[in-house]
Amino acid sequence: GAGVSQSPSNKVTEKGKDVELRCDPISGHTALYWYRQSLGQGLEFLIYFQGNSAPDKSGLPSDRFSAERTGGSVSTLTIQRTQQEDSAVYLCASSLTSGDEQFFGPGTRLTVL
Amino acid sequence: AQTVTQSQPEMSVQEAETVTLSCTYDTSESNYYLFWYKQPPSRQMILVIRQEAYKQQNATENRFSVNFQKAAKSFSLKISDSQLGDTAMYFCAFMKRWGGSEKLVFGKGMKLTVNP
Repeated sequence: GAGVSQSPSNKVTEKGKDVELRCDPISGHTALYWYRQSLGQGLEFLIYFQGNSAPDKSGLPSDRFSAERTGGSVSTLTIQRTQQEDSAVYLCASSLTSGDEQFFGPGTRLTVL
Repeated sequence: AQTVTQSQPEMSVQEAETVTLSCTYDTSESNYYLFWYKQPPSRQMILVIRQEAYKQQNATENRFSVNFQKAAKSFSLKISDSQLGDTAMYFCAFMKRWGGSEKLVFGKGMKLTVNP
């Protein structure tokens, strides 16, 4: 595709359920980022993948959050035992290489009831 | 720690007028990147303009230009000939790089409304 795609666009879940959010970066982009956008906290960094290097998970807010990137392309962000404070828009971005412009996807709006 | 401050939460401007969005940041690094991103109601973050700190010349992209004052740690965005499509949230961001990792540090954002 021409840009970064994310699915689903919207996700409503019940407290305590697990959710998976998917990101398809631009083909050929080696760097991939996840951010969270919420009213109270603004835009926060979650995790960074670069090629085959170990990811930087320093932004993940708790051990309920995890992410993987398979084959250096598609990434999945998993939130286990969701809580109401997890409600936010989750944005994925990719860049050709580190330091380059980050291209963002349209985000997934997660609502935890 | 790097921080980015956007002191104006909201602004409005008439179509065709010029508007300036302010941003200040704090860093001890000497070389870095600064960005302005636009987020319309569609939620898609779009890069407006990018500035490399080692370049003294202010970046410009069509109707968008920046006033980069490195000593003052100021990075304002000027939008000339405002258009209705410029209505959006605008975020100033600093790229923090360390130990093989990197991330964008964003300001809180500013809501710009362009009125007809």
